[in-house]
Amino acid sequence: GENVEQHPSTLSVQEGDSAVIKCTYSDSASNYFPWYKQELGKGPQLIIDIRSNVGEKKDQRIAVTLNKTAKHFSLHITETQPEDSAVYFCAASSNTGGFKTIFGAGTRLFVKA
Amino acid sequence: ETGVTQTPRHLVMGMTNKKSLKCEQHLGHNAMYWYKQSAKKPLELMFVYSLEERVENNSVPSRFSPECPNSSHLFLHLHTLQPEDSALYLCASSQAHSKGTQYFGPGTRLLVL
Repeated sequence: GENVEQHPSTLSVQEGDSAVIKCTYSDSASNYFPWYKQELGKGPQLIIDIRSNVGEKKDQRIAVTLNKTAKHFSLHITETQPEDSAVYFCAASSNTGGFKTIFGAGTRLFVKA
Repeated sequence: ETGVTQTPRHLVMGMTNKKSLKCEQHLGHNAMYWYKQSAKKPLELMFVYSLEERVENNSVPSRFSPECPNSSHLFLHLHTLQPEDSALYLCASSQAHSKGTQYFGPGTRLLVL
């Protein structure tokens, strides 16, 4: 079946450094890739997304890149701050996949002050 | 606030109890979802309702019974659960036609004793 692999499972960076989280997907029909941030005691919140017709999207300190040929997409956070500490999930879905969005297992990011 | 609320936020129940989880969305969406989130595992899709009809049921045990009385409300009825059912249960909603961005509630933390 379809799956999404996410790495690393845990990431610790110093405040001000960059953080990169990588995902690979198996369903070549996937065309929508959201990223969610989940803070303690809360549900996942969408932070950025990208569709298959673009290779990169940026929103302030957050950027996402997509390589459809390699079925890779990545989240880049620059100038990390302690409030960026959370669990981040990548996901992949397709218009032909019904209502199923496949999520990665999550990356726990620690930003040390 | 994401526009998706869940009650209760925490629930402790014995294996012989019957309880219900409630989800309400104020976003005008017409698709709603139940997910199970366990430690160190990807989000597990349980049920999907679109236009108040169940469109996905991912081999979930019958001790979990969903109900969608209208497009704004979703329930998960629980009966004779097992300790391994202890998890965070997340509700989400989306516009059915986009099938992309899902908006999550804060979840119900369930402990089965």
